[in-house]
Amino acid sequence: GAVVSQHPSWVICKSGTSVKIECRSLDFQATTMFWYRQFPKQSLMLMATSNEGSKATYEQGVEKDKFLINHASLTLSTLTVTSAHPEDSSFYICSAREDPGYEQYFGPGTRLTVT
Amino acid sequence: GQSLEQPSEVTAVEGAIVQINCTYQTSGFYGLSWYQQHDGGAPTFLSYNALDGLEETGRFSSFLSRSDSYGYLLLQELQMKDSASYFCAAHTGFQKLVFGTGTRLLVSP
Repeated sequence: GAVVSQHPSWVICKSGTSVKIECRSLDFQATTMFWYRQFPKQSLMLMATSNEGSKATYEQGVEKDKFLINHASLTLSTLTVTSAHPEDSSFYICSAREDPGYEQYFGPGTRLTVT
Repeated sequence: GQSLEQPSEVTAVEGAIVQINCTYQTSGFYGLSWYQQHDGGAPTFLSYNALDGLEETGRFSSFLSRSDSYGYLLLQELQMKDSASYFCAAHTGFQKLVFGTGTRLLVSP
């Protein structure tokens, strides 16, 4: 159990375009979903936290107008990278947790390359 | 600020025991988790310590000392497949995880 999927697994887009990444909890209701970014050989950095039906809470330094997060249901959250630039190229990973547990279940990640 | 420091790289041979340390400084602390991540893959959960002491899960054990702001992951009977990056992660307020700097473990034959 506790499976989280992400789509797409990888995407290449041109600079200036927008990309949407989906994160789904397949067999549980995700009370909270988290979005992380990971650059090569670096750690995971939390970008934002989202609760179903509420606005996402962004970490300091993360542009909320650039990284749009929508947690529309208890099983789906989306991250849209707007007006992507090459420096946005990274590995984006979502995770989800279900109340009252502490564990976060991670998706397989989405590798974004902006050309 | 919040920081979790780990050694950048550890090497060991098959069958050996290795310890990966994590020292943390966070505002709000509810426990320490450990994750394994293979190149290109997602982090997978290994263990969680909410209280001081040792937690054992098969070949992996994890230890926490809140008074010392310190924890470690102990891997026994190392196998080649254990070559991966390992991250400690502090559970802070609002269910957030703050990840450590990560340790790359290289297991050789």
